[in-house]
Amino acid sequence: EAGVVQSPRYKIIEKKQPVAFWCNPISGHNTLYWYRQNLGQGPELLIRYENEEAVDDSQLPKDRFSAERLKGVDSTLKIQPAELGDSAVYLCASSLATWDMNEQYFGPGTRLTVT
Amino acid sequence: LAKTTQPISMDSYEGQEVNITCSHNNIATNDYITWYQQFPSQGPRFIIQGYKTKVTNEVASLFIPADRKSSTLSLPRVSLSDTAVYYCLVGDNTGGFKTIFGAGTRLFVKA
Repeated sequence: EAGVVQSPRYKIIEKKQPVAFWCNPISGHNTLYWYRQNLGQGPELLIRYENEEAVDDSQLPKDRFSAERLKGVDSTLKIQPAELGDSAVYLCASSLATWDMNEQYFGPGTRLTVT
Repeated sequence: LAKTTQPISMDSYEGQEVNITCSHNNIATNDYITWYQQFPSQGPRFIIQGYKTKVTNEVASLFIPADRKSSTLSLPRVSLSDTAVYYCLVGDNTGGFKTIFGAGTRLFVKA
């Protein structure tokens, strides 16, 4: 079974430029998460989807970050414009259902460097 | 939301048993305890989950005392490849479910 797929794996951009990350969750997983992980820290939840509905986006900086999950499958996280402090690894995870608790399956992440 | 506290780092030698304890004094009745493992340049990987007493799988054991204010992840006979960061999380599946990772415990296994 294929795991969570993310692309690109690495991205280097200049500040003020836009950037987008793509995630394809495990087939059948209705819950999708986007996390940001800074160096030396644990992942920080940005947004959680139940199917196509964003049920928790309280930690998403909405002035520059946006996300979508059309048709409840693939998801895209966008930053516009990027700032130096956005340099981090962006992780996508999926799980079968909320009742399945914290058994989330993570992708390899996208390492973003903003210069 | 229950906050977790773990040691920042631990050292061990190959073949030893490693126990990592996590404190979660404010754990709620509906909260489960979950542990994840993360290698460099990879996303976290689920290890084990429990509610009370003891849970064991092919990778680890999780010990949870009756008051559930702490839990201990036990890794039997570690190898060099167990060097990773280990995260303890508590959470439930009611409305407002959140997943909060702390800084984790960095385990270094030496030869």
